[in-house]
Amino acid sequence: NAGVMQNPRHLVRRRGQEARLRCSPMKGHSHVYWYRQLPEEGLKFMVYLQKENIIDESGMPKERFSAEFPKEGPSILRIQQVVRGDSAAYFCASSRVADNEQFFGPGTRLTVL
Amino acid sequence: QQQVKQSPQSLIVQKGGISIINCAYENTAFDYFPWYQQFPGKGPALLIAIRPDVSEKKEGRFTISFNKSAKQFSLHIMDSQPGDSATYFCAARPLGGAGSYQLTFGKGTKLSVIP
Repeated sequence: NAGVMQNPRHLVRRRGQEARLRCSPMKGHSHVYWYRQLPEEGLKFMVYLQKENIIDESGMPKERFSAEFPKEGPSILRIQQVVRGDSAAYFCASSRVADNEQFFGPGTRLTVL
Repeated sequence: QQQVKQSPQSLIVQKGGISIINCAYENTAFDYFPWYQQFPGKGPALLIAIRPDVSEKKEGRFTISFNKSAKQFSLHIMDSQPGDSATYFCAARPLGGAGSYQLTFGKGTKLSVIP
């Protein structure tokens, strides 16, 4: 019974490149959430998705960031033209329904050089 | 604006001692308060959670105390062990309604339990 899977676990990008972070929710979960954790900070909500729908992206920066959760395949968090300030750990969580416990993946640690 | 304030930032406790971490919240719509444990390089894992209809919840060596009028809640780890050394996050969210899925986290407490 695999938990939430995220890949890659570590990602290094140069300024201006694109970063793609992938998240496969737990089996039976159709709700996915992305959080960002800056050094020495708590996790901050970015976006909430269900299959093929973005429900709430209020925590996502307006530019360069996008997220999707297609009918087939993992959820993708995409960051275009990365800057040093994007360096952080990005965590994905999933739940069976919106009001249930969220289970977190191991995170992707993005470093922008 | 930080909606959940957590203290202390770091904590050193001797093995067998009691670790106490405090959180205070501002949003009165919050009515679910989980605590997460995070080891280095791992994602947060739910440790214990409480709803405001009770003032205390205990699971093994872990206890949450909740004070609704003061809008504060705390985690007590009894008989702390070196294996408890981790970063602990308090969090909060509404149960039901708008934003019920959106966890708001404190900044975390790094706990070190020394032998």
